[in-house]
Amino acid sequence: AQTVTQSQPEMSVQEAETVTLSCTYDTSESDYYLFWYKQPPSRQMILVIRQEAYKQQNATENRFSVNFQKAAKSFSLKISDSQLGDAAMYFCAKSGTYKYIFGTGTRLKVLA
Amino acid sequence: EPEVTQTPSHQVTQMGQEVILRCVPISNHLYFYWYRQILGQKVEFLVSFYNNEISEKSEIFDDQFSVERPDGSNFTLKIRSTKLEDSAMYFCAGSLEGNEKLFFGSGTQLSVL
Repeated sequence: AQTVTQSQPEMSVQEAETVTLSCTYDTSESDYYLFWYKQPPSRQMILVIRQEAYKQQNATENRFSVNFQKAAKSFSLKISDSQLGDAAMYFCAKSGTYKYIFGTGTRLKVLA
Repeated sequence: EPEVTQTPSHQVTQMGQEVILRCVPISNHLYFYWYRQILGQKVEFLVSFYNNEISEKSEIFDDQFSVERPDGSNFTLKIRSTKLEDSAMYFCAGSLEGNEKLFFGSGTQLSVL
């Protein structure tokens, strides 16, 4: 069975500092996508960043970047210059043609 | 940007009653999904729908659940006889292609009393 594991239930970061959220996954597929979704208190699911497994280059979106290690099946999210608005639950997810698997989430607190 | 629309935003029902949760996906999307999330817990897959039929379903999606896309635009999730443990946020999602970015609706909070 495919799994996505987020081993950090909660993380804290000082405003303006950098934080890294971890994610590992298990799959036998060679072609897939990985995602980080942000869920603020409104509970809306917001896409933060996406990585295509066949691309070696790590994806970046402004202050958000990933460290994708395909052989290790690792997909961490780095948030630079953390802002108060970054406080939320963050879910790692792996795509499948008919099913996307989500991790259990990491709650990020940003300290002023 | 196009949006996935879910109605109602909140639904309160009595145990044993039927509920229908409604979703209007983005018009050019082909793959549709229902997920649910109990407060503070993980986002759980329920079912996927492609080419007017169920593609995959989870163990949660038992005979009490059904989905349909009756008119080519709306995508509904029906729970025939609700249980207390069905209380959760239900998310509709869609994608243009399999393996692509999922667009989520804002969810329907279902409370079963």
